[in-house]
Amino acid sequence: KNEVEQSPQNLTAQEGEFITINCSYSVGISALHWLQQHPGGGIVSLFMLSSGKKKHGRLIATINIQEKHSSLHITASHPRDSAVYICAVVSGGGADGLTFGKGTHLIIQP
Amino acid sequence: DAGITQSPRHKVTETGTPVTLRCHQTENHRYMYWYRQDPGHGLRLIHYSYGVKDTDKGEVSDGYSVSRSKTEDFLLTLESATSSQTSVYFCAITGTVNTEAFFGQGTRLTVV
Repeated sequence: KNEVEQSPQNLTAQEGEFITINCSYSVGISALHWLQQHPGGGIVSLFMLSSGKKKHGRLIATINIQEKHSSLHITASHPRDSAVYICAVVSGGGADGLTFGKGTHLIIQP
Repeated sequence: DAGITQSPRHKVTETGTPVTLRCHQTENHRYMYWYRQDPGHGLRLIHYSYGVKDTDKGEVSDGYSVSRSKTEDFLLTLESATSSQTSVYFCAITGTVNTEAFFGQGTRLTVV
């Protein structure tokens, strides 16, 4: 079973700061997802990646397959970025779904 | 937004009663999943389906059953609800195993 660890569990920062959330996993994967969940809200996919780096607006996701590690970066953070960010991995054949980290609760203060 | 809806969105039920949650998709995706989300545990897989009438158990399947008689619908049944099944339930779909996952809005279930 793949163990997915995220750090930090909680993060409070000031508007404009550069944010990094880390994810590590124990077993080789075929893909990794970064998800966003606002309080009381649904879950939205931000990125799916299997190698390298992806960028969407102020969000950047990177993955190092050899080190079994991924990072999610937020540049010029804004209070609307306040949410729970969840890392999830696809292991093996992948048909049996995602294995999730416990999430990082991010608060951006004005 | 992907066409995936869950019903009901909220439900309060009594211990021992059966409960069915519905996930409906309009994307014709092959794979459908039911997860539960609990504080301190994150999201965990209950059951999944890889086609009509093809289902399998996940990590926390005890006390739950599922059915998929049509591509678009995946039903989760709590055969006899217990307080430990109070949770938020999410349905998810993917087209293939290594493509983007889409999640429903969640169902908040309270068993009293």
